[in-house]
Amino acid sequence: NAGVMQNPRHLVRRRGQEARLRCSPMKGHSHVYWYRQLPEEGLKFMVYLQKENIIDESGMPKERFSAEFPKEGPSILRIQQVVRGDSAAYFCASSPLRGGHEQFFGPGTRLTVL
Amino acid sequence: AQSVTQLDSQVPVFEEAPVELRCNYSSSVSVYLFWYVQYPNQGLQLLLKYLSGSTLVKGINGFEAEFNKSQTSFHLRKPSVHISDTAEYFCAVSPPTSSNTGKLIFGQGTTLQVKP
Repeated sequence: NAGVMQNPRHLVRRRGQEARLRCSPMKGHSHVYWYRQLPEEGLKFMVYLQKENIIDESGMPKERFSAEFPKEGPSILRIQQVVRGDSAAYFCASSPLRGGHEQFFGPGTRLTVL
Repeated sequence: AQSVTQLDSQVPVFEEAPVELRCNYSSSVSVYLFWYVQYPNQGLQLLLKYLSGSTLVKGINGFEAEFNKSQTSFHLRKPSVHISDTAEYFCAVSPPTSSNTGKLIFGQGTTLQVKP
């Protein structure tokens, strides 16, 4: 059973460009969480999605950030018009259950904004 | 709202020595507690978790943690560390309310540096 997959592992964007981060959960998991790790900080919750639904987006910045988890395909975290402060590691975790206290993390996508 | 404080940002220790990584949390409701490990350039791996029951929890790689409700602490311990334990360790909480979405609230992390 493959683990949580994230791609790309490294992403470089110039200010003003768009960044798309992908997360494929473990097989059989229909719950996905996105977390952001800024340099020298712990992980901060961004958004929790179930297939085709956003359940909790209380940690998402109000502008430029969006997330989706379609019926088919990976979950996508989209950052429009990136700024240098968006440079961070973005981690996806998946769970088989709602309120899943067994979250399995992917290797992360490291976004660098030039 | 819940918060997590990891009291030490870095803990240097010699190989085969015991280690304790401290974690305190703040919450007005009961919480679930977790310790994760992050090796360089990798994702997080669950070491152990406390949901209910015995306050002493054993995890992988010889780690254990003790939940202390009165002191709101969940310190991580290992009696003898190896070089391979060098990593970043994160304490996290999640409130088990009926509307709980399972989101984790993390501490700032503690870097464990095991020296030969």
